[in-house]
Amino acid sequence: GIQVEQSPPDLILQEGANSTLRCNFSDSVNNLQWFHQNPWGQLINLFYIPSGTKQNGRLSATTVATERYSLLYISSSQTTDSGVYFCAVGGGATNKLIFGTGTLLAVQP
Amino acid sequence: GAVVSQHPSRVICKSGTSVKIECRSLDFQATTMFWYRQFPKQSLMLMATSNEGSKATYEQGVEKDKFLINHASLTLSTLTVTSAHPEDSSFYICSAPPPGTSGGWGDTQYFGPGTRLTVL
Repeated sequence: GIQVEQSPPDLILQEGANSTLRCNFSDSVNNLQWFHQNPWGQLINLFYIPSGTKQNGRLSATTVATERYSLLYISSSQTTDSGVYFCAVGGGATNKLIFGTGTLLAVQP
Repeated sequence: GAVVSQHPSRVICKSGTSVKIECRSLDFQATTMFWYRQFPKQSLMLMATSNEGSKATYEQGVEKDKFLINHASLTLSTLTVTSAHPEDSSFYICSAPPPGTSGGWGDTQYFGPGTRLTVL
């Protein structure tokens, strides 16, 4: 099955800093989503981005499907950005999502 | 936007008992729903695909007789953990494609808030 690796596994930032999170996947996909999991476990949809670039406020994402990676950019980070960021990919005839290994982000004041 | 709910949000049970978790799509119909499990400090692992009106499809290594899935209507899927043991303690999350889609590939998904199961 598809393997999904995220880097870095852990990241500590000072408030106001920028960061880039990476998601590598091992096969062609037709679905890629980025999520933020808050401290209560809720998954928040950030982007649905199987290809191309999207921006939403301080966040943006780019997926280069031909090279099998996606990037999530966080600018001017805030303490509320802390949590775990997952990418999840799907491919084939079903809509099953395979989750990456996650990046634990801690933004310090 | 599309909303998926789960009930209960938290449950504690004794070893050997069965626990039922509900997943509802509140403002749309879902012919397909997905169940995931997440152990502490780990990623989400897909357990099974719940299909309305037919049998669930389980991922490799997931015991179908232990994790019973019933998708009785277009808005409700249930996961029953039978004869629960402490190693079943985990965070269980469901998801569903939003309205206006066929549930097929290429669709975004929305996730429920999760159910934290603790088996004593």
